[in-house]
Amino acid sequence: DAKTTQPPSMDCAEGRAANLPCNHSTISGNEYVYWYRQIHSQGPQYIIHGLKNNETNEMASLIITEDRKSSTLILPHATLRDTAVYYCIVRVAGNAGNMLTFGGGTRLMVKP
Amino acid sequence: GAVVSQHPSWVICKSGTSVKIECRSLDFQATTMFWYRQFPKQSLMLMATSNEGSKATYEQGVEKDKFLINHASLTLSTLTVTSAHPEDSSFYICSARDDLAGPPVYEQYFGPGTRLTVT
Repeated sequence: DAKTTQPPSMDCAEGRAANLPCNHSTISGNEYVYWYRQIHSQGPQYIIHGLKNNETNEMASLIITEDRKSSTLILPHATLRDTAVYYCIVRVAGNAGNMLTFGGGTRLMVKP
Repeated sequence: GAVVSQHPSWVICKSGTSVKIECRSLDFQATTMFWYRQFPKQSLMLMATSNEGSKATYEQGVEKDKFLINHASLTLSTLTVTSAHPEDSSFYICSARDDLAGPPVYEQYFGPGTRLTVT
């Protein structure tokens, strides 16, 4: 699976949009981009995933660049409860044996 | 949404004893489950892949005789830490893959984790 690079930490003001970048310059054509988050002392929570089109759900938006070498997770109106470590993961699709491999992630601190 | 439970949520045990952690998929079947370990301020590290009805596959450096995994049914996998030592103290997290989700995206859901402290 392709390796990802994320900033170790970011701050965001409550109510503002949080934009979390992820670099995956070696991504292959059949690899999806996944985002998970982990609130302190809890298991990871799925947020969103995409292949090449931008995606949006009730939690967040995922913007993937045209060359697919990077992506941005957008939390449109961050709240204090969004404080967590956010993990960007790329994984080959179509392979049931493929597990999720976590990197260092970005520690997002939402401040009042 | 799909729910994965773990029991216990936390456990304290004495050095040399064994501890069993259960992982259950509550509303879906999971032929494949995964066990991760997380030390403070570190990321999740995959320990092993558990498959129902067959032996688990362990990641390099994980002692299979120390971390016994049993996946006896489509909704239950257990991790037993045998002869636990203080260095085994960690946050253990399981995840389960929904058999009915995919391809190409195989949905994987995580449990809330179990904090093990070995004294």
